[in-house]
Amino acid sequence: EAGVAQSPRYKIIEKRQSVAFWCNPISGHATLYWYQQILGQGPKLLIQFQNNGVVDDSQLPKDRFSAERLKGVDSTLKIQPAKLEDSAVYLCASSRWGPSQETQYFGPGTRLLVL
Amino acid sequence: AQKITQTQPGMFVQEKEAVTLDCTYDTSDPSYGLFWYKQPSSGEMIFLIYQGSYDQQNATEGRYSLNFQKARKSANLVISASQLGDSAMYFCAMKYGDMRFGAGTRLTVKP
Repeated sequence: EAGVAQSPRYKIIEKRQSVAFWCNPISGHATLYWYQQILGQGPKLLIQFQNNGVVDDSQLPKDRFSAERLKGVDSTLKIQPAKLEDSAVYLCASSRWGPSQETQYFGPGTRLLVL
Repeated sequence: AQKITQTQPGMFVQEKEAVTLDCTYDTSDPSYGLFWYKQPSSGEMIFLIYQGSYDQQNATEGRYSLNFQKARKSANLVISASQLGDSAMYFCAMKYGDMRFGAGTRLTVKP
């Protein structure tokens, strides 16, 4: 079974530019998560999708971050415009159902550096 | 509010010895899940072990076991017979609704 796929693996941009990350979850997983992991910290949830609907986006900085999962499979996370403090690893995870105490499986992450 | 605390920023262990990584949590909800993940330098979060709040027995997965003490709100990870490949960051997490992670512990296994 293929794991969670993410691209690109690395991205370097200048502040005020825009950037997009892509995630393809494990086949059959209804729930998809985007996390931000700043160096030296644990991951922090940005947004959770159940199929193509948003379950939780309370920690998503909506003035500059957006995410979509139009067909309930793969997802895109966008930052526009980027700030220096957005430098982090962006992790995508998926789980079969989501609401229960269910294991989340993570992708390799995208390392973003904003200069 | 949910809170996860890992008080050990870094730990060292000799190869083939056992090591315990500490994790305490705070929640008022009776139903929750506790997870441990390993994050090597490559960056991917690898699931290790899960403990449900109603589980009577401590979870075990190969060389990993979870020492769950519900009254003390602790969920320590025990790694037996450490290997060089165990060197990584280890994160404790709790899920009720969303998943909250601790700050992590960097484990270094010495040959």
